[in-house]
Amino acid sequence: AQSVAQPEDQVNVAEGNPLTVKCTYSVSGNPYLFWYVQYPNRGLQFLLKYITGDNLVKGSYGFEAEFNKSQTSFHLKKPSALVSDSALYFCAVRDTGYSTLTFGKGTMLLVSP
Amino acid sequence: GAVVSQHPSRVICKSGTSVKIECRSLDFQATTMFWYRQFPKKSLMLMATSNEGSKATYEQGVEKDKFLINHASLTLSTLTVTSAHPEDSSFYICSAPAQGAGSYEQYFGPGTRLTVT
Repeated sequence: AQSVAQPEDQVNVAEGNPLTVKCTYSVSGNPYLFWYVQYPNRGLQFLLKYITGDNLVKGSYGFEAEFNKSQTSFHLKKPSALVSDSALYFCAVRDTGYSTLTFGKGTMLLVSP
Repeated sequence: GAVVSQHPSRVICKSGTSVKIECRSLDFQATTMFWYRQFPKKSLMLMATSNEGSKATYEQGVEKDKFLINHASLTLSTLTVTSAHPEDSSFYICSAPAQGAGSYEQYFGPGTRLTVT
């Protein structure tokens, strides 16, 4: 079985400050990990993924995430938040041998001016 | 990146009627597509996996006779909500797997907002 936990319903950060959105996962095999962003009444946009290799992955719009196997985490980060980053962020996992994604419950990021 | 479209983007129907939602991969072929349902401020719930040329695979608890899925071609999957009721009102999103070696992500359509009155 595969599962994802996003412990924060909402993260508030001031523009220009660094942001972190947390994600932990559980799989039986090796994880494929993803971050997606959703703007109101829109579908999900792919931000970045970890499949293998370097633990620090860089994605779209200046976002990055670090895979930590010992802590089973894949936190999303950005050095300097923008107001336009305000949206709903989903972490997702796919276990090796599975074809489907399991999503976390989502974290609303609010960046204040 | 690859583009997935959905039609309609928004639909209002009366209770008891059926509604069809289309999902198209615009610049690539997709032998598999996924249908999700999203409640307000909630995560995505996978409803079913649509397979071109064969029957869809439904997740536990999803009524296959109510949510009919047809994968008519390599670029089109449809979800028909039959005899819709107000509790079927939701945001329905489809996705298709990215193509190419090392691509494990999915590309999502913009979603369809269904309101059943």
